[in-house]
Amino acid sequence: DQQVKQNSPSLSVQEGRISILNCDYTNSMFDYFLWYKKYPAEGPTFLISISSIKDKNEDGRFTVFLNKSAKHLSLHIVPSQPGDSAVYFCAASAPGGTSYGKLTFGQGTILTVHP
Amino acid sequence: DTGVSQDPRHKITKRGQNVTFRCDPISEHNRLYWYRQTLGQGPEFLTYFQNEAQLEKSRLLSDRFSAERPKGSFSTLEIQRTEQGDSAMYLCAASGRGLGETQYFGPGTRLLVL
Repeated sequence: DQQVKQNSPSLSVQEGRISILNCDYTNSMFDYFLWYKKYPAEGPTFLISISSIKDKNEDGRFTVFLNKSAKHLSLHIVPSQPGDSAVYFCAASAPGGTSYGKLTFGQGTILTVHP
Repeated sequence: DTGVSQDPRHKITKRGQNVTFRCDPISEHNRLYWYRQTLGQGPEFLTYFQNEAQLEKSRLLSDRFSAERPKGSFSTLEIQRTEQGDSAMYLCAASGRGLGETQYFGPGTRLLVL
């Protein structure tokens, strides 16, 4: 049961343009969402997060949008840079209990930014 | 630097051997998580500690797996009688105590079982 899905395995973008990475979820209990970036042979690096009480959060070149009714979130990177080339994971968590903070990840999207 | 270190970074072992991995978060991280990532997949939750208490174990964590966090500081993950299917990246993440809910990951331990 894949509760968090990233349906695009890969995305290719020209340097300077916008990268849009998408993520869908099925569990309506999820209330906190995160994006991580991962290079090969390294652990995921936190990029940006959003709580379910918001619909947008921005940090520099990165903006995350949350559409709760559609159970969809997206990460926008503007402008894209070659150094952004990596695997991007969407993750979600539900509140409380003994599972506090447990993250459920999508399968990842490989972003390639061409110079 | 996330403040989370893992040791070793790589481990090659033969099937049937036992292996142990270590994770060291900084003292502000009272919550500690273990995940496993296989090729082409996102990380999957294995277990969660709040301080020294292990509060949840995934059904992915078979009887051959055990994790500890003595004194609520570093944590170890042991796999007994390793199988080839255990080959994966084992990731430790930590959060909490003023650092909010964001989990910060260590560099991971890559296990290869021959």
